[in-house]
Amino acid sequence: EAGVTQFPSHSVIEKGQTVTLRCDPISGHDNLYWYRRVMGKEIKFLLHFVKESKQDESGMPNNRFLAERTGGTYSTLKVQPAELEDSGVYFCASSQGTLPRAQYFGPGTRLTVL
Amino acid sequence: GEDVEQSLFLSVREGDSSVINCTYTDSSSTYLYWYKQEPGAGLQLLTYIFSNMDMKQDQRLTVLLNKKDKHLSLRIADTQTGDSAIYFCAAAYNQGGKLIFGQGTELSVKP
Repeated sequence: EAGVTQFPSHSVIEKGQTVTLRCDPISGHDNLYWYRRVMGKEIKFLLHFVKESKQDESGMPNNRFLAERTGGTYSTLKVQPAELEDSGVYFCASSQGTLPRAQYFGPGTRLTVL
Repeated sequence: GEDVEQSLFLSVREGDSSVINCTYTDSSSTYLYWYKQEPGAGLQLLTYIFSNMDMKQDQRLTVLLNKKDKHLSLRIADTQTGDSAIYFCAAAYNQGGKLIFGQGTELSVKP
């Protein structure tokens, strides 16, 4: 069974540009999460989808971040326009509805904003 | 508010036991997880424990939960150089909800 995949693995952009990150969850997992780790600090929750609906977006830092999950399969996270403080590693995770509902993480996308 | 804390570094010799500690603030946390991150890799789920359990053992890993003190620990028996990584403790407060992570403990295993 394939794990959670993320694309790209690395992205280097200039301040003001737009970047779109993609996450493909484990097949059959209705729950999809985005997290990020900035500059070696703790991993912070961004948002949670259940199928195509946003269940919890309390961690989204501001309106420059837009997450979508059309059709309830893969998800995208767009940052527009990117700022220096957006640099970090963006992780995606997915889980299924049965216990223990453990979240399985992808390898992350390292975003560098210059 | 919700907070999870860990010490940042731990160094042990190969063959010794490692104990990584974690404290959390919200007593309503129901699920607690340990994740491992090797250099350049993503987060690997190691083990988990529900709040109605005190201990869970899985091969070389033992998780102990003290609900009164809100303290969680991960013990790795016979630590190997391949166990060198960052270990994250995470707490969830409802089924399927967001995880609150600690800062991660960097384990260094010396031969």
